[in-house]
Amino acid sequence: GQNIDQPTEMTATEGAIVQINCTYQTSGFNGLFWYQQHAGEAPTFLSYNVLDGLEEKGRFSSFLSRSKGYSYLLLKELQMKDSASYLCAPTGFQKLVFGTGTRLLVSP
Amino acid sequence: EPEVTQTPSHQVTQMGQEVILRCVPISNHLYFYWYRQILGQKVEFLVSFYNNEISEKSEIFDDQFSVERPDGSNFTLKIRSTKLEDSAMYFCASSEVLNEQFFGPGTRLTVL
Repeated sequence: GQNIDQPTEMTATEGAIVQINCTYQTSGFNGLFWYQQHAGEAPTFLSYNVLDGLEEKGRFSSFLSRSKGYSYLLLKELQMKDSASYLCAPTGFQKLVFGTGTRLLVSP
Repeated sequence: EPEVTQTPSHQVTQMGQEVILRCVPISNHLYFYWYRQILGQKVEFLVSFYNNEISEKSEIFDDQFSVERPDGSNFTLKIRSTKLEDSAMYFCASSEVLNEQFFGPGTRLTVL
């Protein structure tokens, strides 16, 4: 079976740092993706971790611990446009398995 | 920058009718996918397609659904007899290998 757990909603202020956690249990694992989805739009790729550790990409970083079934997405220097849903998606062979996502609201 | 395109952006149909949703994946990509997202719910995997055949499908992808790559560029999802619960946003995605999947803008399907 597959189970992905993320906080439903988070709030933060512009310029701050926020960490979105994700725990997962999947049958078959080929890495974990983070996607951003604005309301009414398609998911867009943010990061991919296949090995344990931290991957940094500009204002966004993602961490993975395969043994713990745990990942987080770190967003720095938050901007208003970062208000969106953030989807943790472990891969099982080919398909992405999405959780319900974390809705992030950035306020001024 | 290459992107996945989908047509139409919005499709309205009557229950029981057939619909075909169209996608043009990124040209050098080898893997193609369909996902759907019912309003307010999570994105759900439907099917993946590689080398002209289905490589994986979910429980949602029953006999009412089919996929086809009719030519070198298009990738289609057909729903034979639509039901009210098929109303959702349908996203096509493609990837070069088993890595980052690029999503199209989606087709909003409304079944009346």
